[in-house]
Amino acid sequence: GENVEQHPSTLSVQEGDSAVIKCTYSDSASNYFPWYKQELGKGPQLIIDIRSNVGEKKDQRIAVTLNKTAKHFSLHITETQPEDSAVYFCAASMTEINDMRFGAGTRLTVKP
Amino acid sequence: DTEVTQTPKHLVMGMTNKKSLKCEQHMGHRAMYWYKQKAKKPPELMFVYSYEKLSINESVPSRFSPECPNSSLLNLHLHALQPEDSALYLCASSLGQTNTEAFFGQGTRLTVV
Repeated sequence: GENVEQHPSTLSVQEGDSAVIKCTYSDSASNYFPWYKQELGKGPQLIIDIRSNVGEKKDQRIAVTLNKTAKHFSLHITETQPEDSAVYFCAASMTEINDMRFGAGTRLTVKP
Repeated sequence: DTEVTQTPKHLVMGMTNKKSLKCEQHMGHRAMYWYKQKAKKPPELMFVYSYEKLSINESVPSRFSPECPNSSLLNLHLHALQPEDSALYLCASSLGQTNTEAFFGQGTRLTVV
């Protein structure tokens, strides 16, 4: 089955700096890669996703890149703000949502 | 409306109690899910309902019993739980089971005493 590894497990940056979180997946059949942000005491919120027919996607300060050959994808957050502090999960999915496998999560702290 | 609403937000129950968690969505989604999330871990899939029929049970103990009364509602009935079942229980929904966005609720923080 699919295995998703996520690094780093914790990341601390100064406000205004960029943050990068990386994930690798094992199954080349995976074709949908969402990123979720989970704030304390809340459920995961989808912030951006990418499909395997696209190499990069951007939404304001957030971007995701996908390298299908290397089987890795990354989340880039620019101009970080304290409200970006949360746990971020990457995931990979083949055909169905129930195939979706999550990474272990990255706790991002943005210091003011 | 892109919300998945879960009630209650917090629940404390004894090991002999029977309780239910509720989940509601009005996005017209036909697939609904229950996940369990332990502290500092990613969500783990428990059950999948597709068009109100249970399609996947990830070998969950029978003390957890899901129910989908209609296309907007999903319940999780709890009975004779153990302290190790304490966790955040998340409901999610998606348009279908295939690769579409999954929307999560805020979760129910369950403590079994």
